Amino acid sequence: TQLLEQSPQFLSIQEGENLTVYCNSSSVFSSLQWYRQEPGEGPVLLVTVVTGGEVKKLKRLTFQFGDARKDSSLHITAAQPGDTGLYLCAGEPSGTYKYIFGTGTRLKVLA
Amino acid sequence: GAGVSQSPRYKVAKRGQDVALRCDPISGHVSLFWYQQALGQGPEFLTYFQNEAQLDKSGLPSDRFFAERPEGSVSTLKIQRTQQEDSAVYLCASSFPVAGMGETQYFGPGTRLLVL
Repeated sequence: TQLLEQSPQFLSIQEGENLTVYCNSSSVFSSLQWYRQEPGEGPVLLVTVVTGGEVKKLKRLTFQFGDARKDSSLHITAAQPGDTGLYLCAGEPSGTYKYIFGTGTRLKVLA
Repeated sequence: GAGVSQSPRYKVAKRGQDVALRCDPISGHVSLFWYQQALGQGPEFLTYFQNEAQLDKSGLPSDRFFAERPEGSVSTLKIQRTQQEDSAVYLCASSFPVAGMGETQYFGPGTRLLVL
């Protein structure tokens, strides 16, 4: 069974702080996606990374795909209350269409 | 523009009842997925359709779960003889074209099922 472990599970920080969320697996993925989900809604795609070592930036969010395509990280700079939500990584095993979702990181940013 | 819609948004069922959950994907989307999301967890894959063909149903927990997409658009997930462990949010997602290689999945808001 392919698993994606996310850490930390929960994170509560003050507005303006920086944070990093990790997504780790022993399996190789052809692509990896990060989503944010708010209560009562479905996940919304933030970014897709496909190349080992790839770094993508989305305003204050920086995403990195590991060189071996087994892990990824999400770094948020100067967190804001609007960043509060459940962050999910999802890996696509090579040659399949099926995404394996991580265990999730619940972030709360306090004003 | 219309996104993925799901109905009902909330469903309360007595144990043993049958339920049917509907998903209206984005028009023209070839791929359709169903996921089950337990409280505080990430979504877990249930089944995948490419047009009307159900290509993968390996994630369906038991033979009480059945999904169909007869005309390649709207899909229905049916759960027979519901059990308390079926309580979860059921998410539908669609993508275009065929899934794979990082295509964007668009998720609906989910149906929250509570089995008493």
